[in-house]
Amino acid sequence: DQQVKQNSPSLSVQEGRISILNCDYTNSMFDYFLWYKKYPAEGPTFLISISSIKDKNEDGRFTVFLNKSAKHLSLHIVPSQPGDSAVYFCADYNQGGKLIFGQGTELSVKP
Amino acid sequence: KAGVTQTPRYLIKTRGQQVTLSCSPISGHRSVSWYQQTPGQGLQFLFEYFSETQRNKGNFPGRFSGRQFSNSRSEMNVSTLELGDSALYLCASSLPSGAQYFGPGTRLLVL
Repeated sequence: DQQVKQNSPSLSVQEGRISILNCDYTNSMFDYFLWYKKYPAEGPTFLISISSIKDKNEDGRFTVFLNKSAKHLSLHIVPSQPGDSAVYFCADYNQGGKLIFGQGTELSVKP
Repeated sequence: KAGVTQTPRYLIKTRGQQVTLSCSPISGHRSVSWYQQTPGQGLQFLFEYFSETQRNKGNFPGRFSGRQFSNSRSEMNVSTLELGDSALYLCASSLPSGAQYFGPGTRLLVL
């Protein structure tokens, strides 16, 4: 059964420091993962993705790392800003347009 | 490019009624996926349409249905509404096997 788990429901970080959000997975079909940021009552916003041919992908302040042997990925945000405060979801791509989402981690960046 | 749009944004219905939600994808995107978000279950995949054909379906009862038109716009319908159908309904569009981009969602409240 394909599963995605984000074991930390919340994370609090000081402005300017690094935020590290973690995600574990099992039985991925394609090893293609995506990170989304979500504010309450809004749709998720796509941040960054990574596929199995890479172990790292970077876009501005956001970097995603993939450790296939450990079945683990992480999103690093450096430096963290108060506007980054939101719920972050990792997702695993299944076939036929289906994303399997983790439960989310609520990030709070304090000034 | 304009983003994914969803109408209506908010809806209040009573048990037993039916509802139709609409989604217009990003121009050029032919894949539209639908998700339900609830506090208890998180983001759950409903179904996906590509070129007017349903390619994939999640574990939801037959009361949940959808369709896609030749211009890639999609609708989902929920019949015989139950209290547990109260949720944020999200649609997302994508290029084939690409990242999904979400709309703002429709907040449905069933009384």
